[in-house]
Amino acid sequence: ETGVTQTPRHLVMGMTNKKSLKCEQHLGHNAMYWYKQSAKKPLELMFVYNFKEQTENNSVPSRFSPECPNSSHLFLHLHTLQPEDSALYLCASSGTSGPPGEQYFGPGTRLTVT
Amino acid sequence: LAKTTQPISMDSYEGQEVNITCSHNNIATNDYITWYQQFPSQGPRFIIQGYKTKVTNEVASLFIPADRKSSTLSLPRVSLSDTAVYYCLVGSGRLAFGKGNQVVVIP
Repeated sequence: ETGVTQTPRHLVMGMTNKKSLKCEQHLGHNAMYWYKQSAKKPLELMFVYNFKEQTENNSVPSRFSPECPNSSHLFLHLHTLQPEDSALYLCASSGTSGPPGEQYFGPGTRLTVT
Repeated sequence: LAKTTQPISMDSYEGQEVNITCSHNNIATNDYITWYQQFPSQGPRFIIQGYKTKVTNEVASLFIPADRKSSTLSLPRVSLSDTAVYYCLVGSGRLAFGKGNQVVVIP
């Protein structure tokens, strides 16, 4: 248990569906991240939020829409996804104490787009 | 972001010490060296971080030579549950994950 929870753990959706992934951290961290991990590929950083403000968007398609209502919660809204978007989506958080670059990851949401 | 190079995979027998190497020839002065572990279908887990010389915690040791162009993660007496992908990352803020090193512990 890392202190970062993600729901749902598994999600199957059609290309015309709209769904949302949720991440919550109980660590008092100020930064939150969304990563995508496809089979046989490195983790890809998608979005970064610091104190609820988006500070990084790594050229992510607009069909992925993040939302950070407060420092503890992060959402990823999904709409009109493609089959190649099927992957493990990981949320992470980090704080100002501890080693620089130390991130705490959630268990991930396994997304399958049909 | 400094690039890292790791072997793709390695096997080790249970009970042995495992040394996992990483090269980072263009590491910057402010960069730290950070290692993560990832089990299948789980998020990565922070193992250890260092800047120079040697760092040890309850899980592993990290050896960094004086030129800091490489590092070695040492896992003492591995068990089957240490089978995982190990990532070496270099940076001072945001870190980029490479492909990592798949370590398989054999009985």
